Amino acid sequence: KAGVTQTPRYLIKTRGQQVTLSCSPISGHRSVSWYQQTPGQGLQFLFEYFSETQRNKGNFPGRFSGRQFSNSRSEMNVSTLELGDSALYLCASTVLGTDTQYFGPGTRLTVL
Amino acid sequence: GIQVEQSPPDLILQEGANSTLRCNFSDSVNNLQWFHQNPWGQLINLFYIPSGTKQNGRLSATTVATERYSLLYISSSQTTDSGVYFCAVDGAGGTSYGKLTFGQGTILTVHP
Repeated sequence: KAGVTQTPRYLIKTRGQQVTLSCSPISGHRSVSWYQQTPGQGLQFLFEYFSETQRNKGNFPGRFSGRQFSNSRSEMNVSTLELGDSALYLCASTVLGTDTQYFGPGTRLTVL
Repeated sequence: GIQVEQSPPDLILQEGANSTLRCNFSDSVNNLQWFHQNPWGQLINLFYIPSGTKQNGRLSATTVATERYSLLYISSSQTTDSGVYFCAVDGAGGTSYGKLTFGQGTILTVHP
């Protein structure tokens, strides 16, 4: 089976712009979680989607949003980018009936 | 929320040495995973181990859920074992959909 894929792998944006990141889970996995990793804060949970519904959300401002499509692919969007949004964004998928999360390679976002 | 502490923060070894990484958590968990983050940022699953003991080659892990800690053992370390090791947990109770709380990680450096 193919693993979790994320696109793009690298992204450079300027302050004030918006960005959309994509995550395709492992085939058959219906839960997708998103995380932000920074040197200062470590790995922090953003949100989780299952069957196109957001079931859980971390402590991030409303500029961070997401959605999930009927094929379980997920996108996250960050509007009005700030310098502090520079980070590695990771998504993970989980198969129903287990708790094991499998991570994608991440998208490295740089905000200038 | 649940707290996760990893020790030591840094570990430097010579190739062939053995090591033990520790993860303490502050509450009951349903899920505990150990990950290795490679230099490119990808989180690689090592173990899903909310309780008990598992072994995979030179790596093994033990979680004592009643005492709220987990240990990751690396034997006969190799330079390719270098990287950051993370412990991540979710809280028990059924409302932590897709959310893992990560420790700050242990940075392992193995010298030839």
